[in-house]
Amino acid sequence: DTGVSQDPRHKITKRGQNVTFRCDPISEHNRLYWYRQTLGQGPEFLTYFQNEAQLEKSRLLSDRFSAERPKGSFSTLEIQRTEQGDSAMYLCASSPRWPNTEAFFGQGTRLTVV
Amino acid sequence: AQSVTQPDIHITVSEGASLELRCNYSYGATPYLFWYVQSPGQGLQLLLKYFSGDTLVQGIKGFEAEFKRSQSSFNLRKPSVHWSDAAEYFCAVGADEGGATNKLIFGTGTLLAVQP
Repeated sequence: DTGVSQDPRHKITKRGQNVTFRCDPISEHNRLYWYRQTLGQGPEFLTYFQNEAQLEKSRLLSDRFSAERPKGSFSTLEIQRTEQGDSAMYLCASSPRWPNTEAFFGQGTRLTVV
Repeated sequence: AQSVTQPDIHITVSEGASLELRCNYSYGATPYLFWYVQSPGQGLQLLLKYFSGDTLVQGIKGFEAEFKRSQSSFNLRKPSVHWSDAAEYFCAVGADEGGATNKLIFGTGTLLAVQP
């Protein structure tokens, strides 16, 4: 068990560019979550997968955002045509079963849009 | 709608002093409650959780929290703070959508500073 891994840890991109982040959950965790955290705020839920099925998306997830978990293992979060307001920490978490265990968080990807 | 309020944005305590961080939640049913800690530039680490049973829960690093239904509170406490406890602390409630709890609602966090 190596924990939840996120790549890259930091990303600086120009406005209008597309970016993709990857999350590798703890092996055999069937639930995977994406959160966004801006400075001075708590994490905000973006979307959630159970295995490969995306079961819920927040209204925060605009059309420019898309997430996948093609084989029920790793997940990617893509942001198209980035805007400065997308600058944030993007956190991934996984859990094996809800509710009797916690979500384990990765260290996050810090996105800066310039 | 579910929500979490952490009234204290920033708290400073002296090393060795006791600590209490406040958390109030709004939730229609029995909540699942969590406290997480985040060091600068890092992800979140779970300190403790409450699902049911004993309302006083023990966590890692000497932290404890007490669930008080009548006050809709889940305050975090530590009897003696160490300098390494300086971090940001988040309270969260597990949100139940249609009977399947599948996401966390976080408060805005309390930043803890520890004076020598």
